[in-house]
Amino acid sequence: GAGVSQSPSNKVTEKGKDVELRCDPISGHTALYWYRQSLGQGLEFLIYFQGNSAPDKSGLPSDRFSAERTGGSVSTLTIQRTQQEDSAVYLCASSLQGGRETQYFGPGTRLLVL
Amino acid sequence: GENVEQHPSTLSVQEGDSAVIKCTYSDSASNYFPWYKQELGKRPQLIIDIRSNVGEKKDQRIAVTLNKTAKHFSLHITETQPEDSAVYFCAASPMGNDMRFGAGTRLTVKP
Repeated sequence: GAGVSQSPSNKVTEKGKDVELRCDPISGHTALYWYRQSLGQGLEFLIYFQGNSAPDKSGLPSDRFSAERTGGSVSTLTIQRTQQEDSAVYLCASSLQGGRETQYFGPGTRLLVL
Repeated sequence: GENVEQHPSTLSVQEGDSAVIKCTYSDSASNYFPWYKQELGKRPQLIIDIRSNVGEKKDQRIAVTLNKTAKHFSLHITETQPEDSAVYFCAASPMGNDMRFGAGTRLTVKP
């Protein structure tokens, strides 16, 4: 079946603009994660959604970052007033029921803030 | 919260040799420890995982060991091949079902 998809694949924006990144998880997966990966660096946890529970936002680096998950499926990560240090690959992953299961990653969105 | 440390950050081995990557975690409540492989320009993919009720798990040339007392776990790759070259991430899942990743190890297997 279809894997996790993300859009856009690449995004170039100017400093100070807002951006929205989209993630379509695998159908039926209740858990969804967002990570940030800077060039040559590890996976930085941003936010975690599990079913209808309140999301775990503990990884969001500032209040410029927010995320929503509508209808328990598609998720949008929004970065307001982008800064150059926001440039990174943003990866989304989903798993069937939660963190103690295999996470399936999307291809990522490469964000460049000029 | 959970803190996962991974060593080494880079590792270069000769084809056919073994490679070992080590991780430590801080939250004693963590009980799920996966390893992901990320090839250049591609997404991370799970290669092996271990749960806290076992001390070792093996899948062909890959094995993972877990020491819950010391709070560390390791990835062992035997008979390395050039296609094993990638970045490897360990992770730990604490209470609450989220996941924390290590910083990654860039493994290079020289033919």
